[in-house]
Amino acid sequence: AQSVAQPEDQVNVAEGNPLTVKCTYSVSGNPYLFWYVQYPNRGLQFLLKYITGDNLVKGSYGFEAEFNKSQTSFHLKKPSALVSDSALYFCAVKGVRGSTLGRLYFGRGTQLTVWP
Amino acid sequence: ETGVTQTPRHLVMGMTNKKSLKCEQHLGHNAMYWYKQSAKKPLELMFVYSLEERVENNSVPSRFSPECPNSSHLFLHLHTLQPEDSALYLCASSQSAGATGETQYFGPGTRLLVL
Repeated sequence: AQSVAQPEDQVNVAEGNPLTVKCTYSVSGNPYLFWYVQYPNRGLQFLLKYITGDNLVKGSYGFEAEFNKSQTSFHLKKPSALVSDSALYFCAVKGVRGSTLGRLYFGRGTQLTVWP
Repeated sequence: ETGVTQTPRHLVMGMTNKKSLKCEQHLGHNAMYWYKQSAKKPLELMFVYSLEERVENNSVPSRFSPECPNSSHLFLHLHTLQPEDSALYLCASSQSAGATGETQYFGPGTRLLVL
């Protein structure tokens, strides 16, 4: 079965500090992993995805994520946080076979707060 | 903007009302989705349409009735809802429903409150 876990409900960082939002996954076969961000009263915005290739994926707004197969992780990172990065972040994995093919499985989300 | 629009953005309805949510995508995609987002719960996939044909229905109560008249439009018809149906309803689209590497793009959602 496919699933993702976001172990932290909340992450708090100071502006200018690096940030990490954690995600671990469980999937049969090669994983296809996604990060989305949701600002208040808005839909989900796509940030980045890992399909294959380089383990370090760069996305929108200066975010990047590192795919680690041995640790089954896909943590979201940014070298220097901004107050405007404060939002709800979702990790997701795609189903890769059978009836789950193409279906997105989301984590519960991590609320990131960046204080000035 | 993601190229996926939803109307209305907010909706308040009584349990005996009938209303419809509308979604439109301007991306030339062939697959469209309805999700439900409730507080403290993961996103729940409700329906998947591929080339206007429903390909997935995740045990959603019959008081929710989807309609996909063409590949650019998706509706969610609501009738005799319950207060627990209050949530943010998100529409998404992607190039196809089955490919694993494709990105789903989401609309802004409709915030529904059932009284």
